[in-house]
Amino acid sequence: AQSVTQPDIHITVSEGASLELRCNYSYGATPYLFWYVQSPGQGLQLLLKYFSGDTLVQGIKGFEAEFKRSQSSFNLRKPSVHWSDAAEYFCAVGPYTGNQFYFGTGTSLTVIP
Amino acid sequence: EAGVVQSPRYKIIEKKQPVAFWCNPISGHNTLYWYLQNLGQGPELLIRYENEEAVDDSQLPKDRFSAERLKGVDSTLKIQPAELGDSAVYLCASSLGSQEENNEQFFGPGTRLTVL
Repeated sequence: AQSVTQPDIHITVSEGASLELRCNYSYGATPYLFWYVQSPGQGLQLLLKYFSGDTLVQGIKGFEAEFKRSQSSFNLRKPSVHWSDAAEYFCAVGPYTGNQFYFGTGTSLTVIP
Repeated sequence: EAGVVQSPRYKIIEKKQPVAFWCNPISGHNTLYWYLQNLGQGPELLIRYENEEAVDDSQLPKDRFSAERLKGVDSTLKIQPAELGDSAVYLCASSLGSQEENNEQFFGPGTRLTVL
């Protein structure tokens, strides 16, 4: 069965510190992987995506993610967090037949001064 | 370029009442998605349209939910009658297509439904 696991429900980091959000997936074929960010009251915004090729992908707002097939992981990283990064982050995998995306349950990020 | 537009942004109704949500996708986007997002959860697909055809509605509770996308542009999602458990955020998204590089989904701000 297809699924996405985000083990950390909530993470708190200090502004300027590095960040890593974990994502593990279960998928029956070559996965297409995505990270989205959702600010309160807003829709989801795509941060980055992986289809193929270089396993380290760069996204917007200084985020990057690394696809590790052996670990079924697609962790999101940022070297220096800004207060404006506080939001909910969702990892997603897809498409499969029917092009259904599967989202994780999200990780809530709090940034403290 | 305008993004995905949804209305209303908020809706409060009493149980057993009908409710409808409207979505206008990004111009030129053939694929439209409706998602349900419960509090503290990720979005779950309800239905996907390719132009005016619903090609994936396996997760749509058809006893009370219905959707349409006449003319293959904007779409309406309806619940009749609403139940307390329907309280959630309903997200609409669109993409150019549904194949590989064209399936990046752009999300609207969502409609927050509260059923009392």
